[in-house]
Amino acid sequence: KQEVTQIPAALSVPEGENLVLNCSFTDSAIYNLQWFRQDPGKGLTSLLLIQSSQREQTSGRLNASLDKSSGRSTLYIAASQPGDSATYLCAVLNTGGFKTIFGAGTRLFVKA
Amino acid sequence: DTGVSQDPRHKITKRGQNVTFRCDPISEHNRLYWYRQTLGQGPEFLTYFQNEAQLEKSRLLSDRFSAERPKGSFSTLEIQRTEQGDSAMYLCASRQEMNTEAFFGQGTRLTVV
Repeated sequence: KQEVTQIPAALSVPEGENLVLNCSFTDSAIYNLQWFRQDPGKGLTSLLLIQSSQREQTSGRLNASLDKSSGRSTLYIAASQPGDSATYLCAVLNTGGFKTIFGAGTRLFVKA
Repeated sequence: DTGVSQDPRHKITKRGQNVTFRCDPISEHNRLYWYRQTLGQGPEFLTYFQNEAQLEKSRLLSDRFSAERPKGSFSTLEIQRTEQGDSAMYLCASRQEMNTEAFFGQGTRLTVV
């Protein structure tokens, strides 16, 4: 059974700092991994999708990496801004499955 | 707006009442998902449709829950005889193919009093 864990559960950093969010999964037979952002009381906004054959994806100040063999993904945020404050969720889609399994998220607070 | 649309955004209901939520996916997306999210947790999978066929249901989806997607376009999620434990955010998502991004709606927040 796939389990997804995100560490840390919460993180507070000063503006301008580079930071890394971690996601680990127990079953490496994944189809893809997706990172999302969620603001309080809102739906999820897709940030990056990494296919199982890919090692990383970049969008602006965000870079996501995937190491399928070790069951890990990281989301790197460069030059953090107060507007980056949100909960960041990672989700994996298993090979041969339909459902996406989510971690509990990392709550990020960027102080001005 | 061509994103995933959910209605209503908020619903307060008395325990024992039935509620129905609607999801309109992105028009060319034939894959549709329902999730439930409680405070401080990630979304939990409820059910998946490919076109009008419901291909997977979670054990979380008790007999009081039913979902439909009659014409392979919009979907409805009905909860009968609501309980306080049903209070949560109900999220809908759609994707075009399994190797493409899943896009989420803004959710329906249900409060059972």
